[in-house]
Amino acid sequence: EADIYQTPRYLVIGTGKKITLECSQTMGHDKMYWYQQDPGMELHLIHYSYGVNSTEKGDLSSESTVSRIRTEHFPLTLESARPSHTSQYLCASRIYNEQFFGPGTRLTVL
Amino acid sequence: GENVEQHPSTLSVQEGDSAVIKCTYSDSASNYFPWYKQELGKRPQLIIDIRSNVGEKKDQRIAVTLNKTAKHFSLHITETQPEDSAVYFCAASRGQGNAGNMLTFGGGTRLMVKP
Repeated sequence: EADIYQTPRYLVIGTGKKITLECSQTMGHDKMYWYQQDPGMELHLIHYSYGVNSTEKGDLSSESTVSRIRTEHFPLTLESARPSHTSQYLCASRIYNEQFFGPGTRLTVL
Repeated sequence: GENVEQHPSTLSVQEGDSAVIKCTYSDSASNYFPWYKQELGKRPQLIIDIRSNVGEKKDQRIAVTLNKTAKHFSLHITETQPEDSAVYFCAASRGQGNAGNMLTFGGGTRLMVKP
């Protein structure tokens, strides 16, 4: 089924760990995005990509990095997690004007 | 850059009543305005959208109106039901060119429908 998939859905880790949040979409969309959202609160754009080998930083300063080696895959990496990174991370993809979200990864850094 | 303001931040209505959520935007080049519904613990889902060449769009119990001159747009939900309870986000495209591929979101409205 065409959708956006994120793994893991929940992650609890200790300070200083390196983590990668996975995002894959099977819809063939060129444009992909990462948002940070505290539950029920505003969505903040942290990274986006217009296609393979294209990545840009978004509005919210983030210590994370992204890569886009394949159209369907847009992983986000935190080199050294801190408690301030505790949040929900939503991946999204877009075709024409319509933007679709993945189910999110809820990250807790102890 | 684009700024989107959304009001109210919380809204409580009785089942069967109507609910209205309003948003204003700053970029006159914005031409696409979607609304998302996010239930507790779920992903945001697109429920309705409107483009700048249309003043109103309706889909069953929900409708969106757009006033380009005043740069504001609104979501109207009629005959509200408990399952309408959620956080609603408005958004506006960021003008034209590559920036138009990005959305700026409002701060969200928590709608509670009391049975």
